[in-house]
Amino acid sequence: AQKVTQAQTEISVVEKEDVTLDCVYETRDTTYYLFWYKQPPSGELVFLIRRNSFDEQNEISGRYSWNFQKSTSSFNFTITASQVVDSAVYFCALSEESWGAQKLVFGQGTRLTINP
Amino acid sequence: DTAVSQTPKYLVTQMGNDKSIKCEQNLGHDTMYWYKQDSKKFLKIMFSYNNKELIINETVPNRFSPKSPDKAHLNLHINSLELGDSAVYFCASSQPRIGYEQYFGPGTRLTVT
Repeated sequence: AQKVTQAQTEISVVEKEDVTLDCVYETRDTTYYLFWYKQPPSGELVFLIRRNSFDEQNEISGRYSWNFQKSTSSFNFTITASQVVDSAVYFCALSEESWGAQKLVFGQGTRLTINP
Repeated sequence: DTAVSQTPKYLVTQMGNDKSIKCEQNLGHDTMYWYKQDSKKFLKIMFSYNNKELIINETVPNRFSPKSPDKAHLNLHINSLELGDSAVYFCASSQPRIGYEQYFGPGTRLTVT
């Protein structure tokens, strides 16, 4: 079965520091998709990025960057020059096909606190 | 415009009651989902519907019954509520193919006393 592990339960840094959130996954599929979602204190789940298993290029979006490495089954997320507004719980997720449909298997989440 | 909406946002009720949570999406997606987030923030899928047809039904007690009157709506009815049902329930929608991101509603915090 698919599995996603986010070993860091909580991370606390001071504003402007860089921080990396780790995500390790397990799958037997050759084609799969990985996602990151953000859950701010207000509670909603916000989609951040999708990456498919054939695309190992790193992605950068502003202060956010993602490093996908199939060799280590990891899909890590780095926030550069962190800001207080980045404080949230971040979830890594893996797609799993079920009866022709997709379900997301989520990691446990990493609570990130950015202190002013 | 809200893409995926849920009502109510908060629901407090007593054990044994029956309650419903409504979900609507205006994204034109064919597939909708219900996820449960427990007190430790763990998110797990419960159900998925594609164009009104049930396609994923995880090991959820049959007190939980989803209903999809059309592909833009997926409601969740819960009978005989138990303390352990207290959680945040998220509705989501996506295109039906593998790999498409799912867009989540704001969540419904259910508290059973």
